[in-house]
Amino acid sequence: AQSVTQPDIHITVSEGASLELRCNYSYGATPYLFWYVQSPGQGLQLLLKYFSGDTLVQGIKGFEAEFKRSQSSFNLRKPSVHWSDAAEYFCAVDYNSGYSTLTFGKGTMLLVSP
Amino acid sequence: DGGITQSPKYLFRKEGQNVTLSCEQNLNHDAMYWYRQDPGQGLRLIYYSQIVNDFQKGDIAEGYSVSREKKESFPLTVTSAQKNPTAFYLCASSFSSGRSYNEQFFGPGTRLTVL
Repeated sequence: AQSVTQPDIHITVSEGASLELRCNYSYGATPYLFWYVQSPGQGLQLLLKYFSGDTLVQGIKGFEAEFKRSQSSFNLRKPSVHWSDAAEYFCAVDYNSGYSTLTFGKGTMLLVSP
Repeated sequence: DGGITQSPKYLFRKEGQNVTLSCEQNLNHDAMYWYRQDPGQGLRLIYYSQIVNDFQKGDIAEGYSVSREKKESFPLTVTSAQKNPTAFYLCASSFSSGRSYNEQFFGPGTRLTVL
């Protein structure tokens, strides 16, 4: 079955430190890849997406992600974390099934310490 | 402003009652989706609709029903057959799969609590 793995349930980062959130997907062909962020009790906001081309994509709020086909990964990064980045982050994959559906990882909760 | 609205934000129901969650979008999107979110489980797809008057079951459709009579609206009914309905429900929409990509936009969610 197609799946998306976010191996870290929680991550704590000091404010100003760098961040990397991991995401691996199970399918061999190149899917469409997304990172979303969710604040408590809110909907999801798209941070960035990858469809094709340059494997390093830039998103909003200073986030970037790199697609690595050989590792089936799409890790999210930020050079310097701000306290307002504390939220839950979801990696999602469109496996090009033709039905425009997304498969989500279980999420990584980011905690930012002062 | 274009966007997706879900109402109500909080909903309480007694066990055994059906309840309908509203989702409306004015983004002119063709496709709409319903997800269920439980702590530590991510988002799981309940139903989706690519076009008016057509919809498909997602991964966890049992105990739920939907309709798509208008392009802008995709209400979800949580029936008494759903064994554990208490959850956070998210509606999303996107352009259809005929485009080269599928970016889903999400509503603010409805938290359903069944007492």
